[in-house]
Amino acid sequence: DAKTTQPNSMESNEEEPVHLPCNHSTISGTDYIHWYRQLPSQGPEYVIHGLTSNVNNRMASLAIAEDRKSSTLILHRATLRDAAVYYCILRAGYSGNTPLVFGKGTRLSVIA
Amino acid sequence: GAVVSQHPSRVICKSGTSVKIECRSLDFQATTMFWYRQFPKKSLMLMATSNEGSKATYEQGVEKDKFLINHASLTLSTLTVTSAHPEDSSFYICSATPTGGFAKNIQYFGAGTRLSVL
Repeated sequence: DAKTTQPNSMESNEEEPVHLPCNHSTISGTDYIHWYRQLPSQGPEYVIHGLTSNVNNRMASLAIAEDRKSSTLILHRATLRDAAVYYCILRAGYSGNTPLVFGKGTRLSVIA
Repeated sequence: GAVVSQHPSRVICKSGTSVKIECRSLDFQATTMFWYRQFPKKSLMLMATSNEGSKATYEQGVEKDKFLINHASLTLSTLTVTSAHPEDSSFYICSATPTGGFAKNIQYFGAGTRLSVL
């Protein structure tokens, strides 16, 4: 799997937007960009994924650079419940039968 | 969304005993499930891929005789930690992906099992 690079940690104030960056300069044409997050003492949960176009869902937005070498997960209004480790993962095509490979992720702290 | 149920959520056992962890996909079928372990403040590490009706595929360094995996149906995989020792204490997490539909590219995770071996 192509490698991703994320900051180790970030901090945000409650109710402010958060932009979590991810670099993936070796991404291939068929790689989808996935984001998962892991709340304390829980299993990871899916957040969002995309290929080329920006994506929005009820949890977040995903902004993908035109050259696809980087992306940004956007939480529009951070809440205390958004404090988690966020993982940016590349996954080839529709590869449901292959596992996700987790890096270190970004630990997001939200301050009240 | 799809739900993966993992049981038990926490188990404490004596050294030398065996512990079974169940992972069920509640509202979808999964031919493949995955087992991960996670140490405190570390990322998830893939242990094995569980395949329905066939043998599991283990990652390098994971002892298959110690971590027995059975995937007897399209909705259930079990991980048995045999003759558990304190160094096996960890957070074990399973995941599964629906076999069809839009969600087939999304992995759904169980809530995890915290194993403490005394």
